[in-house]
Amino acid sequence: QVQLQQSGPGLVKPSQTLSLTCAISGDSVSSNSAAWHWIRQSPSRGFEWLGRTYYRSKWYYNYAGSVNIRITISPDTSKNQFSLQLNSVTPEDTAVYYCARVGVGPFDLWGQGIVVTVSS
Amino acid sequence: EIVLTQSPGTLSLSPGERATLSCRASQSVSSNYFAWYQQKPGQAPRLLIYGASVRATGIPDRFSGSGSGTDFTLTISRLEPEDFAVYYCQYYGNSPEYAFGQGTKLEIK
Repeated sequence: QVQLQQSGPGLVKPSQTLSLTCAISGDSVSSNSAAWHWIRQSPSRGFEWLGRTYYRSKWYYNYAGSVNIRITISPDTSKNQFSLQLNSVTPEDTAVYYCARVGVGPFDLWGQGIVVTVSS
Repeated sequence: EIVLTQSPGTLSLSPGERATLSCRASQSVSSNYFAWYQQKPGQAPRLLIYGASVRATGIPDRFSGSGSGTDFTLTISRLEPEDFAVYYCQYYGNSPEYAFGQGTKLEIK
């Protein structure tokens, strides 16, 4: 059974770095037919796509313009997982963060979600 | 930028009734890249429909999608108690930017 398991802190201080990990089971982060995404959801902004990574003979990365200068998504093939780092967070980055796979269809597999609060 | 507007915001129906949810795109889009998701409280979204009308794996046939151009519809033919949730439309044709609607809450009348 394919699953995505998220981990990371639920509370981050303003100006610090938000770091989350998404562990993959039943698929491979290096799959040539999947892409691995981070999405967040908040009451004020709804769903916001943050970025993705995928492997097609080499690694590719795409980031949303709204977070482009603050975000890094990194695959870890040794642990079959990928991570999100979001720098210089503010209270506006408070949201539920999801990892997700685009495979056969769009976002056909999601992690369980992590509530991240940015507060001192 | 494509904006998706869902209507109604809230739909109140009874089990056994038919539900019709709408999503309008700000410009004409390809139906090949149109999807619907279901989200229950405290859970991640679940993919229901992609390509405007293709049911995802394991989705019951009471769920159906249709539409083209700017207007898309999700129909639930006979509501089951577990269908009461929030439904989101999505356009993924401008990959990698993915647009989501604001959601329609389907509640028990």
